Amino acid sequence: DAKTTQPPSMDCAEGRAANLPCNHSTISGNEYVYWYRQIHSQGPQYIIHGLKNNETNEMASLIITEDRKSSTLILPHATLRDTAVYYCIVNTGFQKLVFGTGTRLLVSP
Amino acid sequence: DAGVIQSPRHEVTEMGQEVTLRCKPISGHNSLFWYRQTMMRGLELLIYFNNNVPIDDSGMPEDRFSAKMPNASFSTLKIQPSEPRDSAVYFCASSFLSGRKSSGANVLTFGAGSRLTVL
Repeated sequence: DAKTTQPPSMDCAEGRAANLPCNHSTISGNEYVYWYRQIHSQGPQYIIHGLKNNETNEMASLIITEDRKSSTLILPHATLRDTAVYYCIVNTGFQKLVFGTGTRLLVSP
Repeated sequence: DAGVIQSPRHEVTEMGQEVTLRCKPISGHNSLFWYRQTMMRGLELLIYFNNNVPIDDSGMPEDRFSAKMPNASFSTLKIQPSEPRDSAVYFCASSFLSGRKSSGANVLTFGAGSRLTVL
């Protein structure tokens, strides 16, 4: 699996957009970019994934650079309930998902 | 669907006792994953099954750990004998994986976890 690099922590004001970066410079052509999050004491929760194109769903948007070496998860209007650890993972659909240390996002009033 | 169901949610046991954690995956999913989470080591993949067959158990810590999936709707993770260092939250997750390697993404749904404390 390609390795990912994420900042260990980020802060965001409630109601503002949270932009979480992820570097995956060794990603291969058939590897997806996945984002999961884990709210304290809960199981990880799937957010979004993409291969080449930008993606949007009811939870977030995923922006993947043209060279696919980095991506950004965007929470358009962060709420206090978005405080969590966010994991960026890259691998092919047929491989096991390996979680790194993620980014701890703190949303403050 | 009720999602991935794990039991027990909490277990406290004494060193040397056998521990069995249970998981019911989402109906229709053909892959099942067992993860362990501790403060020191984060989320670690222990083993995963595809179509009830263990595919990769390289994350299983040692012979004290064993996992089975007798059918598509049930899996167990057993620790015998348990040790204090096995204390952790154990998560089960399931997904649908196509049989073709060039297929789409693998989106996991996690259970709420089983918090194990070994005294």
